[in-house]
Amino acid sequence: DAGVIQSPRHEVTEMGQEVTLRCKPISGHDYLFWYRQTMMRGLELLIYFNNNVPIDDSGMPEDRFSAKMPNASFSTLKIQPSEPRDSAVYFCASSSHRDRVSGANVLTFGAGSRLTVL
Amino acid sequence: GEDVEQSLFLSVREGDSSVINCTYTDSSSTYLYWYKQEPGAGLQLLTYIFSNMDMKQDQRLTVLLNKKDKHLSLRIADTQTGDSAIYFCAVLTGGGNKLTFGTGTQLKVEL
Repeated sequence: DAGVIQSPRHEVTEMGQEVTLRCKPISGHDYLFWYRQTMMRGLELLIYFNNNVPIDDSGMPEDRFSAKMPNASFSTLKIQPSEPRDSAVYFCASSSHRDRVSGANVLTFGAGSRLTVL
Repeated sequence: GEDVEQSLFLSVREGDSSVINCTYTDSSSTYLYWYKQEPGAGLQLLTYIFSNMDMKQDQRLTVLLNKKDKHLSLRIADTQTGDSAIYFCAVLTGGGNKLTFGTGTQLKVEL
């Protein structure tokens, strides 16, 4: 398995532009998580899906952020309009309910998308 | 919500043991994890421990859990330069779905 695949790896954009980050989870995983990592706030959970359905989006900073999971193999995180304070590394992670039989909920992370908003 | 705290930096000599510490606040946490992040990469699971265990050993890694004090530690024996990375403690909360991460400890291994 290729693991969790994220694109783009790096994105530089100007304030006000729309940004779309993409994630392909591990095949067979039914949970998908979006995290944001910054120096100031560390790793924050933004939203997670179970079987393509958003379960908890309480970490989404504001209405400028939206996430979708149209099918089991693809998810997007969109920021519109982007602002300089959105600059961060955005991680996607997935896990399987089969892992959760033991209760351990082992997340596999992608390599991240580094976003810079000028 | 859950708070997970770690010290920011640790520097050790190659061959020595490293001990990375973590404290958390939610006593109902069921699983606790250690992840490693190398520069420019995602987080990689190192090990995890169930809350009814005191210790778990996995090759060079030893995890100690003091549930009374809500303190978790990761000991790396015979630390190598390849162990230089950021180490994150994480705690499972929110009904078993949410992982709350600590701030991360940057481990620097010197020759």
